[in-house]
Amino acid sequence: AQTVTQSQPEMSVQEAETVTLSCTYDTSESDYYLFWYKQPPSRQMILVIRQEAYKQQNATENRFSVNFQKAAKSFSLKISDSQLGDAAMYFCAYRTENSGGSNYKLTFGKGTLLTVNP
Amino acid sequence: DGGITQSPKYLFRKEGQNVTLSCEQNLNHDAMYWYRQDPGQGLRLIYYSQIVNDFQKGDIAEGYSVSREKKESFPLTVTSAQKNPTAFYLCASSRFTTYEQFFGPGTRLTVL
Repeated sequence: AQTVTQSQPEMSVQEAETVTLSCTYDTSESDYYLFWYKQPPSRQMILVIRQEAYKQQNATENRFSVNFQKAAKSFSLKISDSQLGDAAMYFCAYRTENSGGSNYKLTFGKGTLLTVNP
Repeated sequence: DGGITQSPKYLFRKEGQNVTLSCEQNLNHDAMYWYRQDPGQGLRLIYYSQIVNDFQKGDIAEGYSVSREKKESFPLTVTSAQKNPTAFYLCASSRFTTYEQFFGPGTRLTVL
């Protein structure tokens, strides 16, 4: 079974600075997807960024980028120029690429609570 | 606007009562999911459905039931058999041909 580990329960960053959130995962598969979701105080889950395992290039979305290290099974999220609105719980998630059965489900880490200090 | 709606936002239940949480989507998504979120636990899958009139158990299905009579709707019933039902419940949906799941705003269930 796949597992996702977020080793940092809490992180803090100064406004306008850069912060990196860590995520590692365990899988025997070669094809899969990885995601970072953001959950602000409203508790609405919002997709931040996704990465296909077959792509060597790291995904970027504006101020958000990932460092995907497939061999190390590592998938960290970098937030540049942090803003107050970035304060939230961040979840790393894994999904297999194989179709059928329960393979559409997401396996989540336990989350990292990010605080942004003004 | 397309999206996922969940109702109610807050729900209180007495022990021994069944309660149904609503989830509706107008995204024309094929697959729908129910997750449970507890503090420090992340999200855990309760049930999922890939097509109308079909659904499968997730990792923590005991004490829950679902139905999928319409593509747009995937209600979750929390039965009296669920030992610790107080939690935050999130509904999600996705298309078969893509892999992102989109989430509703959630329902907070409290058992009194």
